[in-house]
Amino acid sequence: AQTVTQSQPEMSVQEAETVTLSCTYDTSENNYYLFWYKQPPSRQMILVIRQEAYKQQNATENRFSVNFQKAAKSFSLKISDSQLGDTAMYFCAFTRGGATNKLIFGTGTLLAVQP
Amino acid sequence: DTEVTQTPKHLVMGMTNKKSLKCEQHMGHRAMYWYKQKAKKPPELMFVYSYEKLSINESVPSRFSPECPNSSLLNLHLHALQPEDSALYLCASSQEAAGNYEQYFGPGTRLTVT
Repeated sequence: AQTVTQSQPEMSVQEAETVTLSCTYDTSENNYYLFWYKQPPSRQMILVIRQEAYKQQNATENRFSVNFQKAAKSFSLKISDSQLGDTAMYFCAFTRGGATNKLIFGTGTLLAVQP
Repeated sequence: DTEVTQTPKHLVMGMTNKKSLKCEQHMGHRAMYWYKQKAKKPPELMFVYSYEKLSINESVPSRFSPECPNSSLLNLHLHALQPEDSALYLCASSQEAAGNYEQYFGPGTRLTVT
């Protein structure tokens, strides 16, 4: 069975600084998909970034980038130039895709951006 | 357009009431999902519909009854709920085609059972 682990329950960062959120996962699959979702206090789940396991290049979306280490089964999220609006719970998620596209979520990291 | 809509935003119901949650997407996605989320916890999958057919039921109590009237709509019928069923109920959809498995979530319905 696949599992996703986020070992940092809470983190804090100063506005304009950089922060990295950790995520590790366990799977025997060779092809799969990884995501970071953001859930601000409004509780809308927002897709931040996605990574296909067969792509070696790390995904980037504006200030958000990932460090995907397939052999180490690690998928960290880097937020550059942190903004107050980045304050949210961040969930790492895994799916094999296919006919039963079940998302396996980590327990989340609560990020607070301080002014 | 990556919008999933959910109604109502808030719902308060008694344990003897019958109510329904509604979810809608117009992205042509083939799969739709219901999740239950408690505060500060990740979402828990309840049901998956693929091509309008129920493909996954995660052993959800029968007081929750899903329905997929067409490819754009997903309902969750509620009956005889318990106070512990109070939670945020999230709907999501995905294209479920090769390489496109990300799920897009609606804003959720905050349900309180009294």
